[in-house]
Amino acid sequence: NAGVTQTPKFQVLKTGQSMTLQCAQDMNHEYMSWYRQDPGMGLRLIHYSVGAGITDQGEVPNGYNVSRSTTEDFPLRLLSAAPSQTSVYFCASSFGTVNTEAFFGQGTRLTVV
Amino acid sequence: GQSLEQPSEVTAVEGAIVQINCTYQTSGFYGLSWYQQHDGGAPTFLSYNALDGLEETGRFSSFLSRSDSYGYLLLQELQMKDSASYFCAVPSGYSTLTFGKGTMLLVSP
Repeated sequence: NAGVTQTPKFQVLKTGQSMTLQCAQDMNHEYMSWYRQDPGMGLRLIHYSVGAGITDQGEVPNGYNVSRSTTEDFPLRLLSAAPSQTSVYFCASSFGTVNTEAFFGQGTRLTVV
Repeated sequence: GQSLEQPSEVTAVEGAIVQINCTYQTSGFYGLSWYQQHDGGAPTFLSYNALDGLEETGRFSSFLSRSDSYGYLLLQELQMKDSASYFCAVPSGYSTLTFGKGTMLLVSP
């Protein structure tokens, strides 16, 4: 059981480049989310999805796009990378409801130069 | 909005007991979760409290007081492997989480 798988683990981008961070889960979870983690800031919600075809913005959505065409996959797209997007990105999934454990991927460390 | 406050760092020695506090302000409250994150790793779920009181899971316990908007994580019989960051978090109705900024626990021999 792989759980939540994120690729790539590390990435360096130049300012203005675009890229997609991949996230896949094999637990048939309806709820998926993307967070970014910066030093001393905890994890902040970027976008989330409550099921295939349904997405919404979180706390820090600017500069990012998401889509959810299948239950398994929830990619995060950086449209035009900026140094301020240098961060560690985590994808998470959960079965649902408020008291359900969230399962996190191993993260993508992104550096924008 | 939602905000959670927790200490930035706590230090302790092996075998000791440590308590990590968390106070929160939320517009709607379902419960309080705790996550552990080792350096370079992913957050992993520790506990969830929806009701007042103490929940015990092995060496770790979590407490919630809804009237005081306060909770804590209690770690007993500390081991070196417990050195990590600990986050309190409140879930939303859509299974997303708002996290505190994290408490780094340093366990020394």
